[in-house]
Amino acid sequence: DGGITQSPKYLFRKEGQNVTLSCEQNLNHDAMYWYRQDPGQGLRLIYYSQIVNDFQKGDIAEGYSVSREKKESFPLTVTSAQKNPTAFYLCASMEGWDRGLLGYTFGSGTRLTVV
Amino acid sequence: DQQVKQNSPSLSVQEGRISILNCDYTNSMFDYFLWYKKYPAEGPTFLISISSIKDKNEDGRFTVFLNKSAKHLSLHIVPSQPGDSAVYFCAASPPAYSGAGSYQLTFGKGTKLSVIP
Repeated sequence: DGGITQSPKYLFRKEGQNVTLSCEQNLNHDAMYWYRQDPGQGLRLIYYSQIVNDFQKGDIAEGYSVSREKKESFPLTVTSAQKNPTAFYLCASMEGWDRGLLGYTFGSGTRLTVV
Repeated sequence: DQQVKQNSPSLSVQEGRISILNCDYTNSMFDYFLWYKKYPAEGPTFLISISSIKDKNEDGRFTVFLNKSAKHLSLHIVPSQPGDSAVYFCAASPPAYSGAGSYQLTFGKGTKLSVIP
């Protein structure tokens, strides 16, 4: 079955450490997105990528970095510069940015906790 | 500046009754709207969508109404079932051809629906 896989589901990090969240899709989708969910905040866009080797900052990119070396993969690195990294992180993909009527397909999320 | 607003953080409804979830938007460029349903510790799943050329779209128990002049949309669930208890997100986008940079959805903060048996 096609879908988006986020791993791990739960992640613990010590303060001052970088950590990378994995996102892999086998839907052959062009565009991929990273969102962060905090209680009462809804979904806020961190980074997005429309095509391989290209990505753009979203609304809250500070303290995060991404890469898009393959169409299937869009890993997110939470760096030590992110002041409040504890959150639920969601990865999403979409078939084609110019065929937006389809909306997003989301992964199941990664809960990151800084200890 | 919040472009998509869901002003009710929570809603409780008796099983079998109608649930009405509301969403307002401020960006007149938005022309496509979606509703997502989310259970705790899971990713959102697509529920129903509507294009600005329509004012109503129906899928089983779910109906979305769009009032463009008021920049308001609503999701009706009839009849409500306990399994509908979840957080519902409203999302909106401008046309893909608008040259706004790229396609991305703008989400509201969500409404937590509780359906009481």
